[in-house]
Order: sequence, then C-alpha cells, then structure tokens
Amino acid sequence: DSGVTQTPKHLITATGQRVTLRCSPRSGDLSVYWYQQSLDQGLQFLIQYYNGEERAKGNILERFSAQQFPDLHSELNLSSLELGDSALYFCASSLTGQGLTDTQYFGPGTRLTVL
Amino acid sequence: ILNVEQSPQSLHVQEGDSTNFTCSFPSSNFYALHWYRWETAKSPEALFVMTLNGDEKKKGRISATLNTKEGYSYLYIKGSQPEDSATYLCAFYEAAGNKLTFGGGTRVLVKP
Repeated sequence: DSGVTQTPKHLITATGQRVTLRCSPRSGDLSVYWYQQSLDQGLQFLIQYYNGEERAKGNILERFSAQQFPDLHSELNLSSLELGDSALYFCASSLTGQGLTDTQYFGPGTRLTVL
Repeated sequence: ILNVEQSPQSLHVQEGDSTNFTCSFPSSNFYALHWYRWETAKSPEALFVMTLNGDEKKKGRISATLNTKEGYSYLYIKGSQPEDSATYLCAFYEAAGNKLTFGGGTRVLVKP
C-alpha cells in the first residue's frame, strides 16, 4: 500500500458525460501527478500540482482539468467524454515535486469506461 | 516528442534463470532515469532512481546499470522467481517539463 488513495475504483459512464476522479496523496507529500494509461499506450503524464499550484503540464486535453485543494487532495475532471477516454487513470504523489530524484508513489488507479 | 523505448516488450523466463532487458532514451540532456515495477492489479512501485553515468543500483535480486553517453539502462533479475512476474517500466526525467516520460514497459513472466 503506497498510502495514496483514489476514488472511485471503477467508473462507467456514457459519452458526453462529465466525471470527477479524486486523489489523496500520502501523508506529508505536497505534490500530486495525474497519469493516463490507455490500452495501446504507456503511462502518459497529464498534469502535476505542487502545494495547490499547477507545476507541470503534459498531454492533457482541453476537456480535462484538475486542481489541488488546500488539504492537498486533488481532483481530475473529465468532460464531454469520448470512447477514447476509457483508460486507467493514476494519481501519484511525491514529497517535493522535483521530478529529478523525487520518488513518485502511485495510487491504485481509477478504471474509467466510457460507453 | 521524446522517445523512451523498452525491449523486449515481453519476456518468459524459467524460474531460477537470470534475465535482463533494456531501456533506451535520448543521450542528450540527461538528468535522471527511474525504474518502476508494476504487478498486475496493483500500482507501479518505484525501484531505482539513477542519475550518474556508470551508476549501478541493487535491490535484492534486481539490479540496474546506466550508460548515459549511449542512452541505455539495463535491468537485471538474478535467479528469477514467480513473484518477479510484473511489468518493468523505465521513465526518463525531462527537466524542461519537470516530468517523467515512461517507456512502454517489459512484461516479465516467470514460469515455475
């Protein structure tokens, strides 16, 4: 158990809908990362927050947005969902948010299925 | 687009045998390479962070080496056990974006 929690574990929804994925980092970690794992692709970095502020952005679609709250939990909002958004979404947390040597601890993931 | 490649994609190993596989990455602007182990139905777990050319790290029966000049890292498993069955991911640290770019992984299946 990494200490990172994600809810829900599974989510099934329809195209065009909007969902929110939630992540609580390990106790003491200030940075949160979001990743997408699709069937045909490796882990794709979406976005990173550090202490409430956006720090780095990856291949995140405009339909997706995220935020980190004062209690350090984070939410990833996915809207106007398409079939291709079906994937495993991971949240990871780290202490300092400096990706160079900071270990990222991954949560169990949220499996999103868009029908 | 930065290319991080892992080969082979999958590997079957007999219990007790040793094995190794490769992560290739750009040799320019190198800062760090991370290795993760990802067991089925679990989440990726950090193994090593490697920063220096010639670096060698070890954790139990698993070890890794790093060649930043030629842009590759090897991960070795000595005396493979069924519990070593997992996907092993490498991730290249991009300083420009402060982010990790992951390779596609090598899936290792250790057969008893």
